[in-house]
Amino acid sequence: EIVMTQSPATLSVSPGERATLSCRASQSVSSNLAWYQQKPGQAPRLLMYAASSRAPGIPARFSGSGSGTEFSLTISSLQSEDFAVYYCHQYDNWPPAFGGGTKVEIK
Amino acid sequence: EVQLLESGGDFIEPGGSVRLSCAASGFTFSRYGMSWVRQAPGKGLEWVSTISGGGGSTHYADSVRGRFTISRDNSKNTLYLQVNTLRVEDTAVYYCAKEGALTTSLPDAFDIWGQGTMVTVSS
Repeated sequence: EIVMTQSPATLSVSPGERATLSCRASQSVSSNLAWYQQKPGQAPRLLMYAASSRAPGIPARFSGSGSGTEFSLTISSLQSEDFAVYYCHQYDNWPPAFGGGTKVEIK
Repeated sequence: EVQLLESGGDFIEPGGSVRLSCAASGFTFSRYGMSWVRQAPGKGLEWVSTISGGGGSTHYADSVRGRFTISRDNSKNTLYLQVNTLRVEDTAVYYCAKEGALTTSLPDAFDIWGQGTMVTVSS
């Protein structure tokens, strides 16, 4: 069973600044990794799939990178609507697994 | 518009049962794998179960295997989760989610999520 670890747990960032979130897999998941954004009281929303492909409608300020066991999600210039919790998700094999999440909060 | 709408959540005593439903619209339901993902209050996301497009293949998390049963009725565009022998730790919002690619034998990213239905297990 693959364990996904996200860091940091909380990231304090000022609007307009760059944010980089990390996700590590306990074994290789190739590029079968997704990122989701979740705001309070809402369902998660797919941001990235295949590690670096943006889902339809996702702004270009979101980018993903990595393969194997190390991945990152970068938000180039944080907007007010980007403050949320972000989850990574490996779907390389069964069982799929989510990381514990990174909360991006206003500094 | 692609949409998923869950229902069936309730307040249940430990040991009880409930059936959750997820009505799908806006896409060819039978062509896609579907999953249930849950989120305990204040906690992260936990994958629960997945069923293939045709319904012939199912997968479960160890924490629910033997107690939960996923199924689908493609004629009604509806996904189900039968939840038996409920435990306090099953308390969560249960989301249904659509897989992004045409149904395969491997898991996939979830491109569409419902709004969730709350199951509370307490005596």
